[in-house]
Amino acid sequence: NAGVTQTPKFQVLKTGQSMTLQCAQDMNHEYMSWYRQDPGMGLRLIHYSVGAGITDQGEVPNGYNVSRSTTEDFPLRLLSAAPSQTSVYFCASSPDLAGGYNEQFFGPGTRLTVL
Amino acid sequence: GENVEQHPSTLSVQEGDSAVIKCTYSDSASNYFPWYKQELGKRPQLIIDIRSNVGEKKDQRIAVTLNKTAKHFSLHITETQPEDSAVYFCAAPLTGTASKLTFGTGTRLQVTL
Repeated sequence: NAGVTQTPKFQVLKTGQSMTLQCAQDMNHEYMSWYRQDPGMGLRLIHYSVGAGITDQGEVPNGYNVSRSTTEDFPLRLLSAAPSQTSVYFCASSPDLAGGYNEQFFGPGTRLTVL
Repeated sequence: GENVEQHPSTLSVQEGDSAVIKCTYSDSASNYFPWYKQELGKRPQLIIDIRSNVGEKKDQRIAVTLNKTAKHFSLHITETQPEDSAVYFCAAPLTGTASKLTFGTGTRLQVTL
């Protein structure tokens, strides 16, 4: 199993540009989530999904959209990039629908810089 | 919602010494408390977790203790080794949902020779 994969590893955007961060998992996990990691602030939940067709907001959803058309994929879309979205983004999945109550498996991360 | 505070933000210990990281939480209904380790440039990985029906859990050199009355839980690493150097995060589920995890702000542990 490849586990949780993310692309790209690095990305530089200009303010106002849009892009999609890709996340895929091959473990047949129903629960998937997106976090951003900023220095001194830990990991903050952006959006999560408990199955195909079901998504919900986390702590910091503004400026981001998600969709879940398949169990395997959970892309994160930045609609109009802002410098405040400069961060490292991690996708995670969990074998339990109650993803907050079980181990989360993280992807390798995407480092995004918005100029 | 759940608020998780983590201390200290940095910790330096000599190889062989013990390290303790403490987290406090606000929601008395929380009942799952994981700890994640993140090495430099790597992804976070679960190292140990505890559920509220027990007060302590051990796995070789690491242990987690939980005090539900005081609403805090701690990570203990004994006989520290250089490979223990990393950032450690505690977490707890957000109130009323099994789907959202709130993380602490992290502790950077440095084990010196």
